[in-house]
Amino acid sequence: SQTIHQWPATLVQPVGSPLSLECTVEGTSNPNLYWYRQAAGRGLQLLFYSVGIGQISSEVPQNLSASRPQDRQFILSSKKLLLSDSGFYLCAWSPFGANYNSPLHFGNGTRLTVT
Amino acid sequence: AQSVTQLGSHVSVSEGALVLLRCNYSSSVPPYLFWYVQYPNQGLQLLLKYTSAATLVKGINGFEAEFKKSETSFHLTKPSAHMSDAAEYFCAVSDSGNTPLVFGKGTRLSVIA
Repeated sequence: SQTIHQWPATLVQPVGSPLSLECTVEGTSNPNLYWYRQAAGRGLQLLFYSVGIGQISSEVPQNLSASRPQDRQFILSSKKLLLSDSGFYLCAWSPFGANYNSPLHFGNGTRLTVT
Repeated sequence: AQSVTQLGSHVSVSEGALVLLRCNYSSSVPPYLFWYVQYPNQGLQLLLKYTSAATLVKGINGFEAEFKKSETSFHLTKPSAHMSDAAEYFCAVSDSGNTPLVFGKGTRLSVIA
């Protein structure tokens, strides 16, 4: 069966520090991968998605970036965190070749607090 | 572009009472619609989805939703609330499956004993 792992579960970082959140998927090949951010009262905001290694689409311009160095690994990064980057970050996957009517499978998220 | 409006950021019901969570969508083409549930400090789980088959969709945990094109709605219901239903619920839409899902802001459901 397929599983998705995100770490760390919680993170407290000072303003201006770098960020690296990692997500890996097991039990499937060539998944579509997604990063969402959930801020209080604002629902889920799609940040990045990827349909293959090295292929990243950005939905919202900001000081975050994403990379996909391996087929089942998706990394969210920042060089300098802002207070507004605080939130709950969720990684998700859907099957290879699936269009957007396929359900997403979510990880358990990382709660980031920027102080 | 598609969008989703969830009416009511917080809904409170008594145990055993009807649950009704409202979702209205905007889409220029026939939409694909989803409901997800999120328990505290966890990711989202799929409750049900509508993909242009039957307008009444049954999901897990006794939930169902009805697609009403004339009202552009996809409200989520459950006849009898359980304490374990307390969670946050998200409605989401995709335009014919060719664009990433757009989520609503969520509705937090509280169940009172």
